[in-house]
Amino acid sequence: DAKTTQPNSMESNEEEPVHLPCNHSTISGTDYIHWYRQLPSQGPEYVIHGLTSNVNNRMASLAIAEDRKSSTLILHRATLRDAAVYYCILRDFNAGGTSYGKLTFGQGTILTVHP
Amino acid sequence: DADVTQTPRNRITKTGKRIMLECSQTKGHDRMYWYRQDPGLGLRLIYYSFDVKDINKGEISDGYSVSRQAQAKFSLSLESAIPNQTALYFCATSDGPTDTQYFGPGTRLTVL
Repeated sequence: DAKTTQPNSMESNEEEPVHLPCNHSTISGTDYIHWYRQLPSQGPEYVIHGLTSNVNNRMASLAIAEDRKSSTLILHRATLRDAAVYYCILRDFNAGGTSYGKLTFGQGTILTVHP
Repeated sequence: DADVTQTPRNRITKTGKRIMLECSQTKGHDRMYWYRQDPGLGLRLIYYSFDVKDINKGEISDGYSVSRQAQAKFSLSLESAIPNQTALYFCATSDGPTDTQYFGPGTRLTVL
């Protein structure tokens, strides 16, 4: 699986937007970009995913660069509850491939939200 | 009620003991997974199962075994626990089409 690079940590103030970057320069055409987050003392939680176009859901937005070599997770108004480790993960969706079921978690970005 | 539950939530045991961690889900998913998390190492896949008759090793399966008793139940066993198996263990489930994974709350295991 192609690798991702994220900053170790970021800080934000409550109610401000947060842009979490992810670089994936070796991404392949069948790699989907997934984001998960892990709140303190909890299991990881799915946030959003996309392939080429920007995506929005109730939790966040995902902006994908035109060349797909980078992406940004956008939290429009950070709350204290958004403080977590955010993981950017590439997943190959070739049907039938043995890597289909695996999520490979890197170190992620620790997001701190200040009141 | 939580969709993915794990029991026990915390366990302290001694070296050499057999331990079973249990996972149950009410999401109706066919796919289930076991991961362990260690500080600084992220989550690593131990075993996964795409249906009741399908069991696959992950990247760190040595020292572990699993049992898929039913679609809703997936157990992880440590036949003879050792201290470096001290970790946080997570169970997850996913559906087929999107393979979005839903994680349980975790089991903190300490092997003395």
